[in-house]
Amino acid sequence: TQLLEQSPQFLSIQEGENLTVYCNSSSVFSSLQWYRQEPGEGPVLLVTVVTGGEVKKLKRLTFQFGDARKDSSLHITAAQPGDTGLYLCAGVRNYGQNFVFGPGTRLSVLP
Amino acid sequence: NAGVTQTPKFRILKIGQSMTLQCAQDMNHNYMYWYRQDPGMGLKLIYYSVGAGITDKGEVPNGYNVSRSTTEDFPLRLELAAPSQTSVYFCASRSGTSGSVGAGELFFGEGSRLTVL
Repeated sequence: TQLLEQSPQFLSIQEGENLTVYCNSSSVFSSLQWYRQEPGEGPVLLVTVVTGGEVKKLKRLTFQFGDARKDSSLHITAAQPGDTGLYLCAGVRNYGQNFVFGPGTRLSVLP
Repeated sequence: NAGVTQTPKFRILKIGQSMTLQCAQDMNHNYMYWYRQDPGMGLKLIYYSVGAGITDKGEVPNGYNVSRSTTEDFPLRLELAAPSQTSVYFCASRSGTSGSVGAGELFFGEGSRLTVL
């Protein structure tokens, strides 16, 4: 049983399209992080969201933390091939003592 | 900057063999973690450490052991390897103290791909 669910599992789109991926849980987290992982490498942090309802923007990426701190979304505007990768959300419990990862969304952006 | 260094990058083991995956970080981080990543399953926590001399079990500790004699090193030992331990293993570290809102960034190594035949 996955504590964190991510959808969709796979996504293949054309360059220039917009997309949203989701991270959902029945548990409350003290904060939530999004990581991107490229083949043969470890995950790299994109953002941390802390407050319920918080929205953070990182260039073409917009992250939102749900009001109840149980879910999050990542929206990419005008996707580029460089956005290709595995996007992982991680719920943080006990103020950093434990990170719970979702299964990831594998994104492929075709030129 | 080296960050988190894992060795080896690839290894093939026979059933019943033992080995140690090495992990070293040069950022003076207190927290270190071992995860395994299987297709479609995300990252599962094996063991973690909050400082030298202190370790604790994660979600999937069976078949593994760890030690933390120094701040820098956090080796993961596999005893009596089994095919179910075929996976990609990631070591990670972070700074910060327990109780801080907005946990700090996890820094990952490049991974160690282990196959047990």
